[in-house]
Amino acid sequence: ETGVTQTPRHLVMGMTNKKSLKCEQHLGHNAMYWYKQSAKKPLELMFVYSLEERVENNSVPSRFSPECPNSSHLFLHLHTLQPEDSALYLCASSPRQGGGTGELFFGEGSRLTVL
Amino acid sequence: ELKVEQNPLFLSMQEGKNYTIYCNYSTTSDRLYWYRQDPGKSLESLFVLLSNGAVKQEGRLMASLDTKARLSTLHITAAVHDLSATYFCAVDMHTQGGSEKLVFGKGTKLTVNP
Repeated sequence: ETGVTQTPRHLVMGMTNKKSLKCEQHLGHNAMYWYKQSAKKPLELMFVYSLEERVENNSVPSRFSPECPNSSHLFLHLHTLQPEDSALYLCASSPRQGGGTGELFFGEGSRLTVL
Repeated sequence: ELKVEQNPLFLSMQEGKNYTIYCNYSTTSDRLYWYRQDPGKSLESLFVLLSNGAVKQEGRLMASLDTKARLSTLHITAAVHDLSATYFCAVDMHTQGGSEKLVFGKGTKLTVNP
């Protein structure tokens, strides 16, 4: 089983739908991240959770709502999205600082298309 | 605000040739990472550079870090087709609570032609 698993891998939704992306890490890490990867833009950090507490929210619109019920699971709840939200959403994890090199371990991503 | 700039953004090279990708960043940091991404795939960690003067090598790739110049390089030696991918550098800003905050460059899309 891979270290960071994301589901679904592909998602198509209408602007009025509600859906969720799921991420699970099997690496024993304490920090988890959501990144957005759009065409022709750098990867954008959206949210950071450290020990299940949100420590970073990079001015992300409220139509994106993260949830971290425990250190192994991270969700991104989606509601009334816009077409420009279509992108690859990448989940990552890392050991808490001081316990590792700061390297992030990424999942395969969830490709989201908003119609 | 930390800015990370890579150049070139697109690189087409012949097999057997050498080339260098550059990564410049705008504020002080002593942690820099290189990742590789194949089309439709996730990011794979290549190198972790944790101090000034750090040099790491893996196969035909070698990465270095100069924190005083705020510059990292990824050197490709005798390129082969399998190296075709997009390469990202990322700089660590850290967050409160001890987690990492990596700011990524736009990526360099490398195509190695026979």
